[in-house]
Amino acid sequence: QKEVEQDPGPLSVPEGAIVSLNCTYSNSAFQYFMWYRQYSRKGPELLMYTYSSGNKEDGRFTAQVDKSSKYISLFIRDSQPSDSATYLCATPHYNQGGKLIFGQGTELSVKP
Amino acid sequence: DAGVTQSPTHLIKTRGQQVTLRCSPKSGHDTVSWYQQALGQGPQFIFQYYEEEERQRGNFPDRFSGHQFPNYSSELNVNALLLGDSALYLCASSLRTANQPQHFGDGTRLSIL
Repeated sequence: QKEVEQDPGPLSVPEGAIVSLNCTYSNSAFQYFMWYRQYSRKGPELLMYTYSSGNKEDGRFTAQVDKSSKYISLFIRDSQPSDSATYLCATPHYNQGGKLIFGQGTELSVKP
Repeated sequence: DAGVTQSPTHLIKTRGQQVTLRCSPKSGHDTVSWYQQALGQGPQFIFQYYEEEERQRGNFPDRFSGHQFPNYSSELNVNALLLGDSALYLCASSLRTANQPQHFGDGTRLSIL
């Protein structure tokens, strides 16, 4: 079983839709969670960084953590074509904090 | 404020050769981590450097080695290249404090023929 699992998609939505991206993780010792956005031929860009259970909002983006279910989500409201990218969830390893463990990434396409 | 910079952007090598990739961290960061990203996959952790020493290592063979310089910049060296080493190599920088977010460069795309 992978430590972090993510549906690779691809996911295609119309402009303006609400997008839900999800990951599950295997070890309850993981405490911090991040979402990165990666455009084609670019490096991952940090979008959201959360610690506790609950929601964290930043503009059109909301990150949600449910530690009881070991489930993390990223919601994008009013999606735009410029949101088309691969979205990666990640968590620092519980006893190797410098090692980020990534999901496979979900490829999102927002159609005008 | 310059972010993480990596060079070169693209490199083509043949099997058995050796390669060196370079990274300059974001201003103010003292810790550098290296990742390998195969096509369609998430990045895989290779190792992390701070205070000029390798501090943590992922599941990669000894053919992968690195170095950190006093100015915090870093190099990744790969010896005896294999076809399977073809990937995007990403450098990330952060502060040494535990669980600090890592910021990535745009990577070096390495192609092995």
